[in-house]
Amino acid sequence: QVQLVQSGSELKKPGASVKVSCKASGYTFTSYAMNWVRQAPGQGLEWMGWINTNTGNPTYAQGFTGRFVFSLDTSVSTAYLQISSLKAEDTAVYYCARECGSGTYKSYNWFDPWGQGTLVTVSS
Amino acid sequence: QSVLTQPPSASGTPGQRVTISCSGSSSNIGNNYVYWYQQLPGTAPKLLIYRNNQRPSGVPDRFSGSKSGTSASLAISGLRSEDEADYYCAAWDDSLSGWVFGGGTKLTVL
Repeated sequence: QVQLVQSGSELKKPGASVKVSCKASGYTFTSYAMNWVRQAPGQGLEWMGWINTNTGNPTYAQGFTGRFVFSLDTSVSTAYLQISSLKAEDTAVYYCARECGSGTYKSYNWFDPWGQGTLVTVSS
Repeated sequence: QSVLTQPPSASGTPGQRVTISCSGSSSNIGNNYVYWYQQLPGTAPKLLIYRNNQRPSGVPDRFSGSKSGTSASLAISGLRSEDEADYYCAAWDDSLSGWVFGGGTKLTVL
């Protein structure tokens, strides 16, 4: 079955970096874009951006430029989210989500499935 | 502050029908499809409704979605205890060139 399995929880100090992985299985990895969504503790969902799994071209949402990097390793069907210069406010659960639908028009697409989430805690 | 506006909470008793609203603008809901996601406690979000009113296989027909103008609604009929969850609406926003979510509605089954 189609599933996304993310790496485990991370505890990092301010200023450090973290790399979260999202391994896909059950479908052709390069046929679907991958999105990243953040959920701060007790808060709602916030879209971070997406990566074209064919070309590797990333697109970042406002507020997620500079310290956030999306990447891929298509040989192992895995997407990555790297966050550098971590701050306390980066503490959140980070989800990867496969983008389904027509492909051409983003409005026609949706997220399914989602990874189980990776908790990143930034604390000194 | 979320781009899409949802009530923070909703409640109902078993068997009741509840609706959750989602308000946006012409740059998102007004001109694009609406999606609904269900997040059970301690779990990842799950697709509930796509393209305004379509249910993925496996989603009970107790769940239905609708859209009118710049607003959308999720209706849950025959409320069950296992429906207790957070519900999020989402849509593509043409002005932001990205997806936007509502702030989420916590549904309590009394």
